[in-house]
Amino acid sequence: DAMVIQNPRYQVTQFGKPVTLSCSQTLNHNVMYWYQQKSSQAPKLLFHYYDKDFNNEADTPDNFQSRRPNTSFCFLDIRSPGLGDAAMYLCATSRDRGGLQKLFFGSGTQLSVL
Amino acid sequence: GEDVEQSLFLSVREGDSSVINCTYTDSSSTYLYWYKQEPGAGLQLLTYIFSNMDMKQDQRLTVLLNKKDKHLSLRIADTQTGDSAIYFCAESRDSGGGADGLTFGKGTHLIIQP
Repeated sequence: DAMVIQNPRYQVTQFGKPVTLSCSQTLNHNVMYWYQQKSSQAPKLLFHYYDKDFNNEADTPDNFQSRRPNTSFCFLDIRSPGLGDAAMYLCATSRDRGGLQKLFFGSGTQLSVL
Repeated sequence: GEDVEQSLFLSVREGDSSVINCTYTDSSSTYLYWYKQEPGAGLQLLTYIFSNMDMKQDQRLTVLLNKKDKHLSLRIADTQTGDSAIYFCAESRDSGGGADGLTFGKGTHLIIQP
């Protein structure tokens, strides 16, 4: 089945130690998104790629970076994780931009910062 | 600005109807969406409605849109234990600026009483 896969399911890192979360998709969608979801809060869009075009949200901290080496893969890099970065990170895809945007989500990576 | 508001909890008896409400601020949103998140899983698209529609029905789900009041609701008929989840209201960000992705509310926890 075509899907969005996130690895790992759980990630534990130390304060200040760089960490990378990965996402892959078999849907061949043009757009890939990274959302941060904290408990009882709305998923917050960090950034997205439309093909190779990177679009950063204005309030996304510089500590968060992303890479999309090809259509199928997208990575979220946290350069120096702080305690406040502990959250669920959700990757999503959509076929195209604008109009009706059906987002397909992965199961998420739960990040803990010790 | 974009903001989506919804109450955090709703408790209903099994077999009753559930009505989850949402208000949004961006009057230019073309589409409005309802997503469902089960424990430990990503968000899954339940249904959506085009902004020039008042109502959309899909089996047990009925979406009502009051564009004047910027109010969206999701009615689940004959609520079952399997409907227990968090329900997110979302609006598209394609308000003329070509922005991608969705803005989500904080989610409503639907609790089913036997």
